[in-house]
Amino acid sequence: EAGVAQSPRYKIIEKRQSVAFWCNPISGHATLYWYQQILGQGPKLLIQFQNNGVVDDSQLPKDRFSAERLKGVDSTLKIQPAKLEDSAVYLCASSSKTFRGRIYNEQFFGPGTRLTVL
Amino acid sequence: DAKTTQPNSMESNEEEPVHLPCNHSTISGTDYIHWYRQLPSQGPEYVIHGLTSNVNNRMASLAIAEDRKSSTLILHRATLRDAAVYYCILRDFGNEKLTFGTGTRLTIIP
Repeated sequence: EAGVAQSPRYKIIEKRQSVAFWCNPISGHATLYWYQQILGQGPKLLIQFQNNGVVDDSQLPKDRFSAERLKGVDSTLKIQPAKLEDSAVYLCASSSKTFRGRIYNEQFFGPGTRLTVL
Repeated sequence: DAKTTQPNSMESNEEEPVHLPCNHSTISGTDYIHWYRQLPSQGPEYVIHGLTSNVNNRMASLAIAEDRKSSTLILHRATLRDAAVYYCILRDFGNEKLTFGTGTRLTIIP
């Protein structure tokens, strides 16, 4: 079974440029999450989708960050314009309370995209 | 969100058991105790979760105190592949959201 896919794996940009990250969740997972992980810290939730609707975006800096999940499958996270403090790993995760008849309690994470803003 | 407290780092010898503690004195009755770990350069992965009773799976065991104010993740025989940051997280029954702290960095000594 394929896991959560993310691309690119690495990205280096100059401050004030824009950048986009892509995530393909596990097939059939209704819930998708984007996390930001700054070096030395645990992941911080930015936004949570249930199908293609937003459940929680309370920690998303909406003046520069945006995210969408068209058709309830793939998702993109965009930063425009980027700041130095946006340097971090951006993790995508997906989950499903029930999947193929089994009750799940865990989130499945992708490998992340490491963003460096110069 | 109810908070957890974990040691910043721990060391253990290879092939020995490891006990990773977590304090959660403000846990509520509907909070599940979840453990995730993050290997170097990877996303976090689920390890185990429980509510009141001790739990075992192929990866680890979870021992929960009777008053639920603390728990211990037990790796029965540590290998070098178990070197990771381990996160103890309280998750409300009706909420899929995870709130990560800084976790415990486990180092395995060959």
